Amino acid sequence: GIQVEQSPPDLILQEGANSTLRCNFSDSVNNLQWFHQNPWGQLINLFYIPSGTKQNGRLSATTVATERYSLLYISSSQTTDSGVYFCAVVPGTSGSRLTFGEGTQLTVNP
Amino acid sequence: GAVVSQHPSRVICKSGTSVKIECRSLDFQATTMFWYRQFPKQSLMLMATSNEGSKATYEQGVEKDKFLINHASLTLSTLTVTSAHPEDSSFYICSARDRLTNTEAFFGQGTRLTVV
Repeated sequence: GIQVEQSPPDLILQEGANSTLRCNFSDSVNNLQWFHQNPWGQLINLFYIPSGTKQNGRLSATTVATERYSLLYISSSQTTDSGVYFCAVVPGTSGSRLTFGEGTQLTVNP
Repeated sequence: GAVVSQHPSRVICKSGTSVKIECRSLDFQATTMFWYRQFPKQSLMLMATSNEGSKATYEQGVEKDKFLINHASLTLSTLTVTSAHPEDSSFYICSARDRLTNTEAFFGQGTRLTVV
């Protein structure tokens, strides 16, 4: 099956810093989403981005499908950005099931 | 965005009993819903795909007789953990897509199951 690799696994920032999270995938995809899992376990949808670039406030994402990677940018980080960020993909040949990466644990210190 | 409601959010049960978890799409219809399991500090692992009006499809290694899935309508799927044991303790989370757009997946709040 498709492999989804996220880096870095852990990231510690000071409030106000910028960061880039990466998601590599091993095969073509029909769907790619970024999520933020809050401390209560809820998965918050950040971006649906199978290709191209999107921005939402301090967050933006870019997916280069031909090169099989996606990037999530967080600017001017806040303590509330802490949590786990997941990338998940639907392989091009595998129906509609999302396969998740292992996540990036982000800690933003005041 | 679309809303997926999962209930209960937390449940504690005794070994040997069964627990039912509901997953509802509140403002859209879903022909397919997905059930995931997440252990502490790990990623989400797909357990099964719930198909409205037909049998669920289980991932390799998931016992279909232990994790009963019913998808009786276009807005409701249920997961029943039968004869629960402490090793079934985990975080269970469902997801669904709007059948009309079939693009972005939305997730329920999750259910933290503790079997004592």
